[in-house]
Amino acid sequence: DAKTTQPPSMDCAEGRAANLPCNHSTISGNEYVYWYRQIHSQGPQYIIHGLKNNETNEMASLIITEDRKSSTLILPHATLRDTAVYYCIVRVMYDYKLSFGAGTTVTVRA
Amino acid sequence: GAVVSQHPSRVICKSGTSVKIECRSLDFQATTMFWYRQFPKQSLMLMATSNEGSKATYEQGVEKDKFLINHASLTLSTLTVTSAHPEDSSFYICSARSASPYEQYFGPGTRLTVT
Repeated sequence: DAKTTQPPSMDCAEGRAANLPCNHSTISGNEYVYWYRQIHSQGPQYIIHGLKNNETNEMASLIITEDRKSSTLILPHATLRDTAVYYCIVRVMYDYKLSFGAGTTVTVRA
Repeated sequence: GAVVSQHPSRVICKSGTSVKIECRSLDFQATTMFWYRQFPKQSLMLMATSNEGSKATYEQGVEKDKFLINHASLTLSTLTVTSAHPEDSSFYICSARSASPYEQYFGPGTRLTVT
């Protein structure tokens, strides 16, 4: 699996957009970028994934650079309930293993 | 859809006893289930992968005789921590992979405390 690099922590203001960066400079052509989050003492929750095009769903948007070496997860209007650890993971679609790094601890402040 | 449950959510047991944790996929069939362990302020570490009807595959460093995994049906996997010790106290999380799409869905986790 390609390794990802994320900032250890970030704060954001409630109601503002939160932009979470992820570096995956060694990503392979068949590897997807996945984002999960883990709210304290809960299991991880799937957010979004993409290969090379930008993706959007009801939770977030995923922007992948043209060279695919980095991506940004955007939470458009952060709420206090978005406070969590966010994990950026790259994997081949049919590879069942998910390798969780340290993630980014996001704290949304009122 | 795609709900995974775990039972119990919390368990306290005495050192030397065994404890069983159940993981169920409620609305889909899971050909593969995974067990993770998470110590405080650390990330999730994959312990083992189980496929329905076959033996589990354990990650390096995980004792298969201590952490018994059974995946008897397409909706149920169990993790039994045998002869538990205080160092086994942790947050145990399961996930289940659906056949289509090939996504993993996580359970809410089980907090194990060994006294």
